[in-house]
Amino acid sequence: DAKTTQPNSMESNEEEPVHLPCNHSTISGTDYIHWYRQLPSQGPEYVIHGLTSNVNNRMASLAIAEDRKSSTLILHRATLRDAAVYYCILRDPRDDKIIFGKGTRLHILP
Amino acid sequence: NAGVTQTPKFRILKIGQSMTLQCTQDMNHNYMYWYRQDPGMGLKLIYYSVGAGITDKGEVPNGYNVSRSTTEDFPLRLELAAPSQTSVYFCASSYSATDSYLSYEQYFGPGTRLTVT
Repeated sequence: DAKTTQPNSMESNEEEPVHLPCNHSTISGTDYIHWYRQLPSQGPEYVIHGLTSNVNNRMASLAIAEDRKSSTLILHRATLRDAAVYYCILRDPRDDKIIFGKGTRLHILP
Repeated sequence: NAGVTQTPKFRILKIGQSMTLQCTQDMNHNYMYWYRQDPGMGLKLIYYSVGAGITDKGEVPNGYNVSRSTTEDFPLRLELAAPSQTSVYFCASSYSATDSYLSYEQYFGPGTRLTVT
């Protein structure tokens, strides 16, 4: 299975943009890049996913490198409610399962 | 539309006891999953199911059993509880179109916190 590498933790100030990096140098051509986040004492929730092009939704943006070996989740204006563990996951849609790694714990400073 | 529901929310078991964690989804999703999350760690896949009557092992299946007799329900059975099974258990579901390469998102339940002493 293709693996992802994320920093263990990051800090950001409230109301500033946050860039969460993910390296996936062994990504295959059919792998989608998914991001989930887990707020304290809750189950994970879907954030965004993409294949090759950059993606935007109401929660975040996903910037994917041209060679697809890395990606960045962008929170445009962090709030205290964005403090969570963020998981970067590779997903081959022909595979039945998703494997979560350890993720990045994001701390937001007021 | 309740999404994914799990019962119970909390449970304390004695070593050697058995129990079933219930999971139900009302989104007509074909895929369902069970994960466990130990304190401070990421999620590990226990079992998953791609449809009624079909189940398969994940990363950490030992000590657990599952069944999927309906699309909606995916119970997880612990037969002989051990302290190593103390964890938070999450159920999830998703839709996958088997005739295309469309990707999909997983919807998670609120979790069951299990302590085995």
